[in-house]
Amino acid sequence: ETGVTQTPRHLVMGMTNKKSLKCEQHLGHNAMYWYKQSAKKPLELMFVYNFKEQTENNSVPSRFSPECPNSSHLFLHLHTLQPEDSALYLCASSQILRGGTDNEQFFGPGTRLTVL
Amino acid sequence: AQKITQTQPGMFVQEKEAVTLDCTYDTSDQSYGLFWYKQPSSGEMIFLIYQGSYDEQNATEGRYSLNFQKARKSANLVISASQLGDSAMYFCAMRTMNTGNQFYFGTGTSLTVIP
Repeated sequence: ETGVTQTPRHLVMGMTNKKSLKCEQHLGHNAMYWYKQSAKKPLELMFVYNFKEQTENNSVPSRFSPECPNSSHLFLHLHTLQPEDSALYLCASSQILRGGTDNEQFFGPGTRLTVL
Repeated sequence: AQKITQTQPGMFVQEKEAVTLDCTYDTSDQSYGLFWYKQPSSGEMIFLIYQGSYDEQNATEGRYSLNFQKARKSANLVISASQLGDSAMYFCAMRTMNTGNQFYFGTGTSLTVIP
């Protein structure tokens, strides 16, 4: 496997279900991100992890719970979601260096989530 | 505050023609990087090109070039010789030295290439 992988690619769940999204990066990067992309809305940053430590949490509801057990894996645990949470969830990774701005983010293919 | 603005929600271009996608940015940081991504209907975000704030020359990558005008705070993407496979959403993004891990994205431009 190369790059950034995400599973599952598609997920349909009811409002009372609990599910998890998984992201894995094979690039040796030290930062990982979760984004939400809803139809006709800009990309919304949800969480940022740097060296497994959460550095950003952009006022995300507690029904979304991230987990970063190591610098290669990132999870997004979902419970009691709402229909408006239906969106494409993108994971990304990047190498963050002090004083550098040239390291792009590499994105996974995304998980298309539908909440019924 | 950091901000990226893309004012063209949708663009059309004839196949084999060139097209320019606009991007303006706002930051008080002196050191920053500008990125363009392509997102086909499959959903994956594909990195296209990067421009550093201190780079004196405009970045180029194959058919992609970045028209960087620092005084105007604009970083427009130029796609030459458009192909049908170029039809996608295009996002401009910025990262600054002072904001570390955060990338700021614009709202995107939907490009349709007409045969």
